[in-house]
Amino acid sequence: RKEVEQDPGPFNVPEGATVAFNCTYSNSASQSFFWYRQDCRKEPKLLMSVYSSGNEDGRFTAQLNRASQYISLLIRDSKLSDSATYLCVVNLSGTYKYIFGTGTRLKVLA
Amino acid sequence: DAGVIQSPRHEVTEMGQEVTLRCKPISGHDYLFWYRQTMMRGLELLIYFNNNVPIDDSGMPEDRFSAKMPNASFSTLKIQPSEPRDSAVYFCASSRGRVTAKGGPETQYFGPGTRLLVL
Repeated sequence: RKEVEQDPGPFNVPEGATVAFNCTYSNSASQSFFWYRQDCRKEPKLLMSVYSSGNEDGRFTAQLNRASQYISLLIRDSKLSDSATYLCVVNLSGTYKYIFGTGTRLKVLA
Repeated sequence: DAGVIQSPRHEVTEMGQEVTLRCKPISGHDYLFWYRQTMMRGLELLIYFNNNVPIDDSGMPEDRFSAKMPNASFSTLKIQPSEPRDSAVYFCASSRGRVTAKGGPETQYFGPGTRLLVL
């Protein structure tokens, strides 16, 4: 089983739609969680950290469920510019080792 | 501030040749990471350094791969001899070794990557 699993997609959604991605992780010692965004042929960039209490940044909301070992990302009012691959990232407690999921591809259609 | 700098941006070489990838982390960052990204396997951590010392190299595929960090502003990843299956995008990333208010490490910043093609 992969340490971090994501649905590869693609998720094809119309502009203005709400879309949600989930990510599951296998190591219960995981401490910190992130969502990164990667555009085609570019480097990954931090989108947002994921906290136990959940957090929101504009149209983006991230949630963490430690009991079920998954994190989620919700994007409201999707824009064409949201089209990208979204990477789920987990950090193991006591280390600076980051484990990346293989990503979920989102296409927002006009 | 300059971000993470990698060179070359593209490299095409023949099987059996030595390849050296270079990285300059963000000034003040004391953690440096090397990743490899392929369509099949996604983004894989190869090795990471703290204060120029390798901490975890368990992701290095085999003895053909080696990484060094002679000082705080420079690191290399070397493949010798290279093979076609080494073709991938190699990213370098850096971060500060601080713990955030939420208790986790600070995030890392990626360089633009080196696209390697081994023929």
